[in-house]
Order: sequence, then C-alpha cells, then structure tokens
Amino acid sequence: QSVLTQPPSVSAAPGQKVTISCSGSSSNIGTNYVSWYHQLPGTAPKLLIYDNNKRPSGIPDRFSGSKSGTSATLDITGLQTGDEADYFCGTWDTSLRAVVFGGGTKLTVL
Amino acid sequence: QLQLQESGPGLVRPSETLSLTCTGSGGSITSKSFYWGWIRQSPGKGLEWIGATYHIGSTYYNPSLTSRATISVDTSKNQFSLRLASVTAADTALYYCAVPEIPADGDDAYDVWGQGTLVTVSS
Repeated sequence: QSVLTQPPSVSAAPGQKVTISCSGSSSNIGTNYVSWYHQLPGTAPKLLIYDNNKRPSGIPDRFSGSKSGTSATLDITGLQTGDEADYFCGTWDTSLRAVVFGGGTKLTVL
Repeated sequence: QLQLQESGPGLVRPSETLSLTCTGSGGSITSKSFYWGWIRQSPGKGLEWIGATYHIGSTYYNPSLTSRATISVDTSKNQFSLRLASVTAADTALYYCAVPEIPADGDDAYDVWGQGTLVTVSS
C-alpha cells in the first residue's frame, strides 16, 4: 500500500489531454514539494516535474504539474503514442522522514 | 554530463548482505548533487525509495528498511554504496542509484539515474 494514491490507469486518445492525480496527506504533499516521473518499459524513471510545477531542461511544456492542499496533478496535453508509460508521483514525508512514491499510473494512448 | 552505473552481484543468498556500488562518470557526483539515493522496483511493481545520504552528513532510510540498510558515499572514488543486510526473497528487485543535478528545493527530484541492476535473492 503506497503512501501516495494514484489511479492505476488512465487513457485518452492522441492529441487529447489527460490528468493524473496524486493524493497524499498533510505530512507529505501538504507541506512538501512534489515530483513526477515517467517510466517507459525497460528503462529507468525520468524526471518530468519537480518542485510541484517546474520542468527539467528538455521536458516539453505539454507536461505540467500543480498542487493544491494534499493533492497534486500532472497534466499532459497533446497526447502522443510515445507518452504511453507508467507515471509516478513522489514527495518527502515529514513524519516518515523519507521520500514516498505513489503506486504509479499506467497511461494508455488509445 | 554525469552518468551513473550500478554494480554488484546479481544473485544474493537469503540472510546474506546485498552490496551495490554506484559509480559516476562524466562528472563529479558532488559537483551539483547534495544527496545521493537508492530506489528499487520489484518486478511489475512501483518505485520504493530505499534511502539517501546528504552532503551535510545525514542519512535517511525508508522506515521499512532502516534497520537493514546502510548508504555511504566515497567522494574520492566518485561512488556511493548500498548495503542491505539479512535479505529475503522480498528484496528481489531492480535497484537504481539516482542523484539530483537540478537546483531543486525538494528532496525527491532525482534527475540522473543509473540504468538499474537486477538483484535476485535465492538459494
């Protein structure tokens, strides 16, 4: 059971927008920054969003992150088949004094 | 650009100690990074943070592993290491080392990852 809760799967058509949610608590998302990763099959996770809404160099602006209260959201617009991957949210948990991840969301581009 | 590579035995016997090393190349692991972490992923499962050691000398571990895990850094060798004692089959996983090179405020922004190394615990 993951500390952060994500939907197991989401799907949308190419070109459309999809939203992936990440729910936590006051000890993690509520007080700390959130990161988002995606993981293509057989590869290491790749950082998409950090500090709630910042993108590392090279990440297209189709990917955006936001946070409100104890939940965070990853939006992906202009979906491409290459976006099919597993997506994970992560943050620091002040009570656990540890980084915690969501269980992951599998994105299918129909 | 910094690259990371995990190394260590791919097979560990139950009750023994798993030892992995992460070596940096193409740059120093300390030039932009303030913490160095290990994350694992069981087959078909999600990410599990094992722990990280910080430049200020603090080390934090996943509460579920804190009694068995040890992370250390050797800056002279541009390496950091993981030791996990008393392993069981539940410790079979793909183990990644990762560091942040971006100037993030959060403690979870790992943007440089190794390719991962599969460790199987079996007799």
